Amino acid sequence: QLQLQESGPGLVKPSETLSLTCTVSGGSISSSSYYWGWIRQPPGKGLEWIGSIYYSGSTYYNPSLKSRVTISVDTSKNQFSLKLSSVTAADTAVYYCAREVVVITPGYYYYYGMDVWGQGTTVTVSS
Amino acid sequence: SYVLTQPPSVSVAPGQTARITCGGNNIGSKSVHWYQQKPGQAPVLVVYDDSDRPSGIPERFSGSNSGNTATLTISRVEAGDEADYYCQVWDSSSDHRRVFGGGTKLTVL
Repeated sequence: QLQLQESGPGLVKPSETLSLTCTVSGGSISSSSYYWGWIRQPPGKGLEWIGSIYYSGSTYYNPSLKSRVTISVDTSKNQFSLKLSSVTAADTAVYYCAREVVVITPGYYYYYGMDVWGQGTTVTVSS
Repeated sequence: SYVLTQPPSVSVAPGQTARITCGGNNIGSKSVHWYQQKPGQAPVLVVYDDSDRPSGIPERFSGSNSGNTATLTISRVEAGDEADYYCQVWDSSSDHRRVFGGGTKLTVL
């Protein structure tokens, strides 16, 4: 059974860089059938997509965060990571990683949603 | 950018049918996915590709999508269905952006 687990500091200072890692167990991150995404949820608010990465390193980012976000993948460790720079209090949230089901062939891309999620990790931005 | 609009709250009595809508410009041309999130828990996919259910999701959960509105329908609502529900689409016209609706709180009276 596939499991995702987020890890990283729970407290980050303003203006610094938030760094989180998602470890995938029970399956391979290198499958061609999945993207791997980061989603966050500020306290009492809704879900916000941050970005997604394919095992090849291909990435898509939320335009509203794109200038501050870097998502990378380490297939040897079966992990993918999130870096969010220049954080402020507005970046305080629960951060989730998730598996996204896709079908990708030359000239065709279809998306089937986020079918497996990590439990989430709370990150607070405060001095 | 593509916007999905959900009602903030829906209330229903046990045993009745709950319908949660998700509005978007020509959303019927997109594939819509629905997530259930209970307090303190991660979201769970309950409907994908408009109307398909992942394994383990009860048949009481169903979805439809046409025109400018997608709908999640929960039949024979139970107390355990009380949760926040989010719709989501993949916006192929905007650099593969994933978009979530604002969420709907389902209250079981």
